[in-house]
Order: sequence, then structure tokens, then C-alpha cells
Amino acid sequence: QKEVEQNSGPLSVPEGAIASLNCTYSDRGSQSFFWYRQYSGKSPELIMFIYSNGDKEDGRFTAQLNKASQYVSLLIRDSQPSDSATYLCAVNPQNTGNQFYFGTGTSLTVIP
Amino acid sequence: DADVTQTPRNRITKTGKRIMLECSQTKGHDRMYWYRQDPGLGLRLIYYSFDVKDINKGEISDGYSVSRQAQAKFSLSLESAIPNQTALYFCATSDPDKSTQYFGPGTRLTVL
Repeated sequence: QKEVEQNSGPLSVPEGAIASLNCTYSDRGSQSFFWYRQYSGKSPELIMFIYSNGDKEDGRFTAQLNKASQYVSLLIRDSQPSDSATYLCAVNPQNTGNQFYFGTGTSLTVIP
Repeated sequence: DADVTQTPRNRITKTGKRIMLECSQTKGHDRMYWYRQDPGLGLRLIYYSFDVKDINKGEISDGYSVSRQAQAKFSLSLESAIPNQTALYFCATSDPDKSTQYFGPGTRLTVL
């Protein structure tokens, strides 16, 4: 079983809509959760991190964490064509020091 | 100037050759990482280092070795390259509170 799983997509949404990206993880003791955005041919860049159950908002982005169900999601409101990218979920499982496990990523296309 | 740099950015080599990928950072972080990224497999950790004297194997260390020459430099070596090591390689650093990883621009390696 993979540590972190994501639907690879592709996910397509019209401009202005809400994009919803989901991620599940296997280590129930995981404490830290991250969403990265990666444009084609570029390096990942951090969008948000979340540690506590519930929602965390940053501009158009909202991360949601549910530790009981072992999933973390990212909502992008008012999606823009510039949001078209691959979104990577990363988890820092317990007892792994500072290792991070990444999902395979979800490809998002925002259609103008 | 970029905080995390990688050299070379692109490299084509032949099976059996030794190759070294280099990573330098100006962020002052103690923790450094090497990942490879393959289509459909996401980012996978090869090696990581918490300081100059601390080197740890990651998920897929076979066929690779590393050297931490200084706090700012972390090199990845392929002693005898093989075609299935063709991938995009990323170096990353993380801050002391473990919340964020900063990625270099990547090295695209092709082994013929």
C-alpha cells in the first residue's frame, strides 16, 4: 500500500469554478500535510501546509484535513487558467524523522 | 539568485558511466534531500541528510550514493548508470521546523 494516494486525473474545471483535489494517506500517526503545485517541467512549490483537523484558508486556497478518515483535500476557488498544473500531496509520517512521502499528483486543467 | 541550485540541468550519458549531480543552497538549512521523479510514480526519496555527518537512505537508494561536502552542498552519484535511472532529479532543503521543503530546478538525466 502506498503511503500517499491521489487520483491522477486529469481533472478539468471551467474558469471561475471550484477545483477539489483529494489525497489519502496510510499512516494514521502522520502529523504534517502539504500541498505542492508543479508546473510542467518545473520544480514543486509549496502552496499550503496543515497540521490540525479542519480547514485552513489562504486566499483562494483551502486545505481540509480529516485525520479520522485519513484524507486531506485542497479546494481552489475561482479557478484560473494559471492554476493549471499538477498538484502534489505530501505527508510526513510519524517516526520517519524528516522524511516526506509524496503522492503521484493530480493534473488540473482550468478551461477558459 | 536562486536559493537552491542544481548542476547540470540536463545530462545525457551512456550505460555504465559514472555521473555526479550537484546541489548547492544558500538558505542555511541543515536538511537536504535528493528525489527522483518519474511519470506515474511521483517523487521518491533517494537519500537525505540532516547535517554534514548524518546521511540516511531513502525509499530507493540502490544504485546511488551521496556526499555531503558542506552544509550547503549535497551531491548525488550514480556509480554505474543504467537506463532505468533516466528521470528528473530534484534536490531539496527543509527549514528547521520541518514545515516546508524548497526544491531546486531539477536535473533531467537520460541514460542511453
